[in-house]
Amino acid sequence: EAQVTQNPRYLITVTGKKLTVTCSQNMNHEYMSWYRQDPGLGLRQIYYSMNVEVTDKGDVPEGYKVSRKEKRNFPLILESPSPNQTSLYFCASRGQGLHEQYFGPGTRLTVT
Amino acid sequence: AQKITQTQPGMFVQEKEAVTLDCTYDTSDPSYGLFWYKQPSSGEMIFLIYQGSYDQQNATEGRYSLNFQKARKSANLVISASQLGDSAMYFCAMRRANDYKLSFGAGTTVTVRA
Repeated sequence: EAQVTQNPRYLITVTGKKLTVTCSQNMNHEYMSWYRQDPGLGLRQIYYSMNVEVTDKGDVPEGYKVSRKEKRNFPLILESPSPNQTSLYFCASRGQGLHEQYFGPGTRLTVT
Repeated sequence: AQKITQTQPGMFVQEKEAVTLDCTYDTSDPSYGLFWYKQPSSGEMIFLIYQGSYDQQNATEGRYSLNFQKARKSANLVISASQLGDSAMYFCAMRRANDYKLSFGAGTTVTVRA
């Protein structure tokens, strides 16, 4: 089954404790992105990747890091989380030349 | 940056009736795509429908149709014969050609009443 997976689905952590949210897709897609969803703001792109070892900032990259060492994986790293990073996070992927973007199930992060 | 506007924070619709969700966008690019996604209470993002800026006809997918008015920069979603399972938040989004980002509106919550 074609899918994007994210782990963990839920996470409660404390300010400053480094965390990683994993994302993996099995569709051999070139493009992958991370979004955060906040009430009244829709989804906003954090980072994206055009292919292995190629990443760039989206609209709200501050406080986040990413890497793309393998085509299927695109982890999101919060090195020193803060309460304003409490949000619902989505990973997404899209194949080159295709319209549809496939979303993972989301990761609900709470930083206290 | 592209701007997507959904002016209806929430709507109620009677079961079996049609509902129109408004979406306007702002871009100077001639080539772009418009998307609608559904987000039920479980949280996942479900792709509903796509319209390309050069498509001559309005897109349709089952009970979903997109009323595309290019000159007005409008891409309204019409859900016909609403069902209880249509209760969800709906997002309008746009991507410019050769861009790697979907820009989203704030969303519209639809509640279908029996």
